[in-house]
Amino acid sequence: DAEITQSPRHKITETGRQVTLACHQTWNHNNMFWYRQDLGHGLRLIHYSYGVQDTNKGEVSDGYSVSRSNTEDLPLTLESAASSQTSVYFCASSGQGGPAGELFFGEGSRLTVL
Amino acid sequence: QKEVEQNSGPLSVPEGAIASLNCTYSDRGSQSFFWYRQYSGKSPELIMSIYSNGDKEDGRFTAQLNKASQYVSLLIRDSQPSDSATYLCALTNSGGYQKVTFGTGTKLQVIP
Repeated sequence: DAEITQSPRHKITETGRQVTLACHQTWNHNNMFWYRQDLGHGLRLIHYSYGVQDTNKGEVSDGYSVSRSNTEDLPLTLESAASSQTSVYFCASSGQGGPAGELFFGEGSRLTVL
Repeated sequence: QKEVEQNSGPLSVPEGAIASLNCTYSDRGSQSFFWYRQYSGKSPELIMSIYSNGDKEDGRFTAQLNKASQYVSLLIRDSQPSDSATYLCALTNSGGYQKVTFGTGTKLQVIP
């Protein structure tokens, strides 16, 4: 079965360290998204990609970067982790032929920055 | 003004009752509307989508859209304890083709 997987599921790191969260989907979807979810803020879009070599900033992109070298993967990098980036991170994907907005989510990665 | 507004709840209903969840939005150009369900500690999953004014029914769920008043609602008939979750209203707005904006969610508690 097609799926979307995130790793690691849980990560504790220190302020200033670089962290990369992996996202891999086997749906063959063109569109991939990274969201963060915090109490009181809901899901907020960090970065998104509509295809290979395409990346775009979302509403809370400062301190984050992504790259898209193939269809399956969209890794999210925190260049220098800050305590404000403690959150649950969700990767999602959607297909070009499917209804706009029909997202399939990964299981989430809980990141704690000490 | 937030793009998508929801009452955070919790909304408590007895088992078997109708649960009514509401959402308002600010961008009149918003095109597609969705309800996602998120169980505690889990990822969101799509349960309903609606694209035109009126009602759309799927089993015990009915989504309602009124673009003139800029609101979307979700009705859950015969509520079950397994419906207890946070319900996220979402939409694609006029600015981004596949970009989805979410509300903060309404927590629903179905009391046995």
